[in-house]
Amino acid sequence: DIQMTQSPSSLSASVGDRVTITCRASQGINNNLAWFQQKPGKAPKSLIYAASSLQSGVPSKFSGSGSGTDFTLTISSLQPEDFATYYCQQYNTYPWTFGQGTKVEIK
Amino acid sequence: DVQMVETGGGLIQPGGSLRLSCAASGFTVSNNYMSWVRQAPDKGLEWVSIIYSSGNTYYADSVKGRFTISRDNSKNTLFLQMNSLRAEDTAVYYCARVLTLSSGWRPFDYWGQGTLVTVSS
Repeated sequence: DIQMTQSPSSLSASVGDRVTITCRASQGINNNLAWFQQKPGKAPKSLIYAASSLQSGVPSKFSGSGSGTDFTLTISSLQPEDFATYYCQQYNTYPWTFGQGTKVEIK
Repeated sequence: DVQMVETGGGLIQPGGSLRLSCAASGFTVSNNYMSWVRQAPDKGLEWVSIIYSSGNTYYADSVKGRFTISRDNSKNTLFLQMNSLRAEDTAVYYCARVLTLSSGWRPFDYWGQGTLVTVSS
């Protein structure tokens, strides 16, 4: 199975900060990488697919990059509604796998 | 509007069976790839299974041989039949659509609200 490792596992940031989360795959996954946001008690929400393509309706402050094994999610200017847990997920090879999550908290 | 509503969760004893349903509206289940994703209490997300529009299915190793994904085209509904349930199957189960376009896949573009399955004696 392909293991997805996110870093950091949690971070504290202030409103307006630029935040970057990294995701590393244990083997190459081309650009078959998605990012999701999840708030407590809610279903996850799709942010990015194909490593860097923004899902419809997602604000442009979210961006993704990377290919192969190393990927990043960047939030350009953190807003109160962005405090949540973020997950990466590979869909290159079955079984599909998620990272362990990165919790973004208010500093 | 696209909407998916899961039902069928509840408390079940170890070794028991349960069938989850995911009723969809705003799109046709049989024309899409559909998946189940679960989340144990205070844990991360785990992919469970997928069914293609062709009917091909794939499963996580942790549920292979115990869970079966299927759909009822006439009801526009996705199912997950869960047998031989274990305590470690306790989770919120989400159904989610996988959009497949000529330009590539968009996994889990829409999600249901989830249904809680608790396996305990």
